[in-house]
This record gives sequence, structure tokens and C-alpha cells, in this order.
Amino acid sequence: GQNIDQPTEMTATEGAIVQINCTYQTSGFNGLFWYQQHAGEAPTFLSYNVLDGLEEKGRFSSFLSRSKGYSYLLLKELQMKDSASYLCAVILFSGGYNKLIFGAGTRLAVHP
Amino acid sequence: KAGVTQTPRYLIKTRGQQVTLSCSPISGHRSVSWYQQTPGQGLQFLFEYFSETQRNKGNFPGRFSGRQFSNSRSEMNVSTLELGDSALYLCASSLETTTSTDTQYFGPGTRLTVL
Repeated sequence: GQNIDQPTEMTATEGAIVQINCTYQTSGFNGLFWYQQHAGEAPTFLSYNVLDGLEEKGRFSSFLSRSKGYSYLLLKELQMKDSASYLCAVILFSGGYNKLIFGAGTRLAVHP
Repeated sequence: KAGVTQTPRYLIKTRGQQVTLSCSPISGHRSVSWYQQTPGQGLQFLFEYFSETQRNKGNFPGRFSGRQFSNSRSEMNVSTLELGDSALYLCASSLETTTSTDTQYFGPGTRLTVL
């Protein structure tokens, strides 16, 4: 079956760096997304990885290792507004088409 | 460009009733996916439609169904509602999700409460 694991909760201090890990065991892997979701709002796109390595976008970076079934999202210079849930989503090629399977999400609390 | 819209935003139903939720994708997007989000299970894939055809479905009972119209708008229906169907229902649209990996853009969701 498909399995995607993320820590349930993390806390960090404003201005610090935090790394949110995601491990997956899936078949038909075709890429990985990270989404941010504030409470009561829709998930918003953060990053996409399909090849091994690091993708950097401002304060946010995402890393992928396909051989290890592992990804992480790195948030630098944390701000209070970064308090949100972070969702790791794996793209699976199934039945001739792609579909997105989400992990349960990591709730990040940023403290002053 | 307008984002993904979903109606209604909030809905309260009782057990045994049925409900229809609507999703209008971003203009030009032809793929619409539906997800159920609950605190315990996270975001779970329901089904995906493209050009009025269901291309993929998740592991939900037959009480959950959907359809897509020629203008790419989509509806999902849940019949014989159960308490456990209380959740946030999200739809997401993308340009194309056959062999490409287009980003999915989410609507604000419909919060369904079953009493």
C-alpha cells in the first residue's frame, strides 16, 4: 500500500530554521509537492520536486531523495505567520493517470 | 484570474440525507480533484475528473459520487449521510494531470456537518 509519514507537530522560535521531514513508501512515484495550510483555509502550493536534490525558493527550500523515499521542507528566518500545517503530497502514477496522495500534515507552531 | 470557488461554504445536514457540493475550477483548468479532510485522517483523495470523465478514484464507498460538466465545473454527491462524513471537502483544479505533474490549486472548501 501507500504510506506517507510526517511528524504530527513541531515548535520553533521566530527567526530560527526548522526542517520538516516526510518519508514515503509508494509505487509509481512521479514527484512530490509541499503545501502550506493555515487553519480554516485552503492548502496553498509551496514547492515541487521530481528529481533528487534541493529546490530553493526564498525562505523555503525542499529536498528530495528518491532512492531513500525521503523529502524535507526547510523554513528559514521563521516568522509568526509561518505557523500553519505543512502537507507533504506524493504524486502517484496509477491507472494511467496521476493522483495526489497526502500525508497527515505537520502542524508547526512558531513562538516569539 | 479568479481562483477555485466552492459552494456552499458551510452545510449542516442530518443522518440519512444527501448533499451536493459544487466546485468551479480556475478558468482554463480541465482537471478537478476532490478531497475529504478530517483532523484524524488528513487529506484523503476521493476522485478526479477530466473532460467529464472520472479518471481516478480513492477508497471511498459508493455513497460518494461525482460528475463534471462540459464547462469543467464539478459536483460531488454524498448520499445516506453518516456522522463520519462530517469533514471539510476540498476541490482542487489543475491544467492537466495525465502524464504531467501540474500543480493543483485548492478552493476554500465546504465544511459539512452531519448531525
